[in-house]
Amino acid sequence: DAGITQSPRHKVTETGTPVTLRCHQTENHRYMYWYRQDPGHGLRLIHYSYGVKDTDKGEVSDGYSVSRSKTEDFLLTLESATSSQTSVYFCAISDSGTGDYGYTFGSGTRLTVV
Amino acid sequence: AQSVSQHNHHVILSEAASLELGCNYSYGGTVNLFWYVQYPGQHLQLLLKYFSGDPLVKGIKGFEAEFIKSKFSFNLRKPSVQWSDTAEYFCAVKRGGSGTYKYIFGTGTRLKVLA
Repeated sequence: DAGITQSPRHKVTETGTPVTLRCHQTENHRYMYWYRQDPGHGLRLIHYSYGVKDTDKGEVSDGYSVSRSKTEDFLLTLESATSSQTSVYFCAISDSGTGDYGYTFGSGTRLTVV
Repeated sequence: AQSVSQHNHHVILSEAASLELGCNYSYGGTVNLFWYVQYPGQHLQLLLKYFSGDPLVKGIKGFEAEFIKSKFSFNLRKPSVQWSDTAEYFCAVKRGGSGTYKYIFGTGTRLKVLA
C-alpha cells in the first residue's frame, strides 16, 4: 500500500553487525507493529508502538529494539545480528487501538544474516 | 496461552474445486477474527473480518468465512477456486475490547491451484 513503506527491501549483513529497518507511514495512524515471518511459524510480533515514544514488547522481542520518535516512523534495530534473525520482516499499521479494522501491512524487508 | 491453529499447511486443488481452510482458536471470550492473504512476493492483505452479528462473513474475491462460536472456528471457504488464488492464507485472532493491541496469527496455509 502506498501509505506504508519499508526500507530497505532486501539486506544481507554479517553476523554481529547492527542493522536498522525502517517503517514509514503517511496515514497518521497511531499504532505500528513489527512482525517477522518464518516458515512454519507464520507471523510473530516483535514489538509494537501505541504512540510516539510508547512501545512495548511482543512475543519474540529478544535481540531487537525499537524506537518511535515521530508518528510516521517506526525503527527496528538488531543490535548484533545473528543467523537466527534471518527472516522477512513486516511492518503493519492500524488506526484503531483495538485493531478491529485489521492491519495494513508494508511490503516487507527480507533480511539475510550470513 | 492464546493460540490459533491452521491445520492444513499445504493444500493443492484444481481450478473450479471448492476450498475450505480451517482455523481454530483457543480464547474463550469475545474475539475479532480475520483472514489475510499473501500472494507470492507480496505483503499480507485483508480478505475479510468478523466482529459481531451475522456469523457468515463475505469478503473480497468470492471468499467467505463462517464463525462457529461453539467450535471456536472461523473457516475460510470459496466455492470455486481460480489459479490466481494461489497464495498463502493466514487466520488471525484478536481479543475483543479496548486496550488490546495484539493479534495472534496462525502459521498459514499455502494454497496451490493447478490450472
